[in-house]
Amino acid sequence: KQEVTQIPAALSVPEGENLVLNCSFTDSAIYNLQWFRQDPGKGLTSLLLIQSSQREQTSGRLNASLDKSSGRSTLYIAASQPGDSATYLCAVKGASNFGNEKLTFGTGTRLTIIP
Amino acid sequence: DAGVIQSPRHEVTEMGQEVTLRCKPISGHDYLFWYRQTMMRGLELLIYFNNNVPIDDSGMPEDRFSAKMPNASFSTLKIQPSEPRDSAVYFCASSFTRVGRTDTQYFGPGTRLTVL
Repeated sequence: KQEVTQIPAALSVPEGENLVLNCSFTDSAIYNLQWFRQDPGKGLTSLLLIQSSQREQTSGRLNASLDKSSGRSTLYIAASQPGDSATYLCAVKGASNFGNEKLTFGTGTRLTIIP
Repeated sequence: DAGVIQSPRHEVTEMGQEVTLRCKPISGHDYLFWYRQTMMRGLELLIYFNNNVPIDDSGMPEDRFSAKMPNASFSTLKIQPSEPRDSAVYFCASSFTRVGRTDTQYFGPGTRLTVL
């Protein structure tokens, strides 16, 4: 059974700093991995999706990397801003369940950017 | 597009009552997902549909939960009878299959359910 872990559960950094969020998964046979953002009282918004054949994806100040063999992914946020404050979740789709669209989510990292 | 629409946004009910949550997916999307989020268990997939057909309901906690998708633009999640441990935020999400792959899932704003 796939398990997805995100450490730390919460992180506070001053505005302007670069930061890294971590995601680890136990089964390396994945189809893709996604990073989502969740604002308080809102649904999830997809930030980046990395296919299993890719090593990284970039969108603006965000860069996500994937190392399948070690079961790890990182989300790098450059020049953090107060508007980046949110909970960030990673989710994996298992390759062994091809055709099954089930995602397994981590418990998230609550990020606070201090102005 | 208005995005995924869920109703009601908040529901407070008493134990034993029937609860019905509603979802309208994004037009043209062929997958619909129901999730539950709690502090203790995080985000869990309950059930998902493809072209209105339930594909995987292994996450449905027990027989008190049921979900239907009578057409491509509407789905319901029903809890009967409700219990306090069902209190959670319930999300609906939808996605669109391209050739050989499925796009990301688009989430609705959620329904916060409180069972007293």
